Amino acid sequence: DIQMTQSPSVLSASVGDRVTLNCKASQNINKYLNWYQQKLGEAPKLLIYNTNNLQTGIPSRFSGSGSGTDFTLTISSLQPEDFATYFCFQHNSWPYTFGAGTKLELK
Amino acid sequence: QVQLQQSGAELAKPGSSVKISCKASGYTFTSYYVSWIKQTTGQGLEYIGHINTGSGGTNYNEKFKGKATLTVDKSSSTAFMQLSSLTPDDSAVYYCAREGADPLDYWGQGVMVTVSS
Repeated sequence: DIQMTQSPSVLSASVGDRVTLNCKASQNINKYLNWYQQKLGEAPKLLIYNTNNLQTGIPSRFSGSGSGTDFTLTISSLQPEDFATYFCFQHNSWPYTFGAGTKLELK
Repeated sequence: QVQLQQSGAELAKPGSSVKISCKASGYTFTSYYVSWIKQTTGQGLEYIGHINTGSGGTNYNEKFKGKATLTVDKSSSTAFMQLSSLTPDDSAVYYCAREGADPLDYWGQGVMVTVSS
């Protein structure tokens, strides 16, 4: 199975900060990487699909980049509602797998 | 709007089975697969498998073969997952999600399954 490693596991930041979350795949997954946001007690919400495509309705402060094995999610200016846990997910190879998550917390 | 409405929380005894449902609305049900995902505090998010809602064909993560059985009722636009021979390790929140060209774009609200004697 492809292992997805997210870093950091916890990120402390302030409103207005620019932050970058990382996701590394143990093998080449081409562009097939999604990012999700999950708040406590809620289902994950799709933010970015296939590395850099913004899901409908998601603010443009979210962006994704990368290819192959290394991917990033950038939030250009943190808003109060962005403090949550973020997961990456590869759908290039079976079985599909998730990263363990990065918890974005208020500094 | 696209919605996936899952059934309610389950409390089950070890060795028993549960069957949870995922009713879709707001889109053409048979145009998308339905995937199932397990979430625990310890193991995080795990992809269980998916079902082709048109044909009923299934693919499972090897880890969940024999544990999960996916079925579908096209007439009611509902997907089901049965979990069998339950142990405490099966206690988790289980999600269904729509899978198309952009996998897992919409998710159900999740079902908490608790296995306890």
